[in-house]
Amino acid sequence: GDSVTQMEGPVTLSEEACLTINCTYTATGYPSLFWYVQYPGEGLQLLLKATKADDKGSNKGFEATYRKETTSFHLEKGSVQVSDSAVYFCALSGTQGGSEKLVFGKGMKLTVNP
Amino acid sequence: EAQVTQNPRYLITVTGKKLTVTCSQNMNHEYMSWYRQDPGLGLRQIYYSMNVEVTDKGDVPEGYKVSRKEKRNFPLILESPSPNQTSLYFCASSLGWGYNEQFFGPGTRLTVL
Repeated sequence: GDSVTQMEGPVTLSEEACLTINCTYTATGYPSLFWYVQYPGEGLQLLLKATKADDKGSNKGFEATYRKETTSFHLEKGSVQVSDSAVYFCALSGTQGGSEKLVFGKGMKLTVNP
Repeated sequence: EAQVTQNPRYLITVTGKKLTVTCSQNMNHEYMSWYRQDPGLGLRQIYYSMNVEVTDKGDVPEGYKVSRKEKRNFPLILESPSPNQTSLYFCASSLGWGYNEQFFGPGTRLTVL
């Protein structure tokens, strides 16, 4: 079945450091790819998405590019802030019956220190 | 405000005592789903619903029931909770029909003693 593998952390960075969270997937067909973020005590929020190969999703300074050849969707940010401290989930959907189903990676907790 | 609401947010109960976690969305979404979140396992889908009166099992449906009598509501029912159902539960909804961005509720933290 479909699966998502991502860096699990936890990771601690200083403010203004660069961030990369690796995410690779296994899927039949052509999935849509997502990054969700979960701030402390809250539900998940969509951070960005890409629906086809070579698409780049971006939001709040974060970017990720859908790479079909490497089956990857790595999340990057050039300069993190304390407010980016959260758990980040890579996910895919769209390949199975009930195509809205999301398959998640295990999540990575990021802490950014001032 | 467009949102998904869940109640209760926190619940401590005992083994075998039936409980219901409610979920409601005000966005007229077709698709609704329940997930559980456990450390080291990420989120796993319990049940989903493509539309009113249409529900189906996700990856971990054992011990849970759902119903979809109205478009906006999708309650999760634990008929006889057990300690292994202690978890953080999220309800989510989306427009469906390929609009696969999902909107999540704030979560319900359930502890079964």
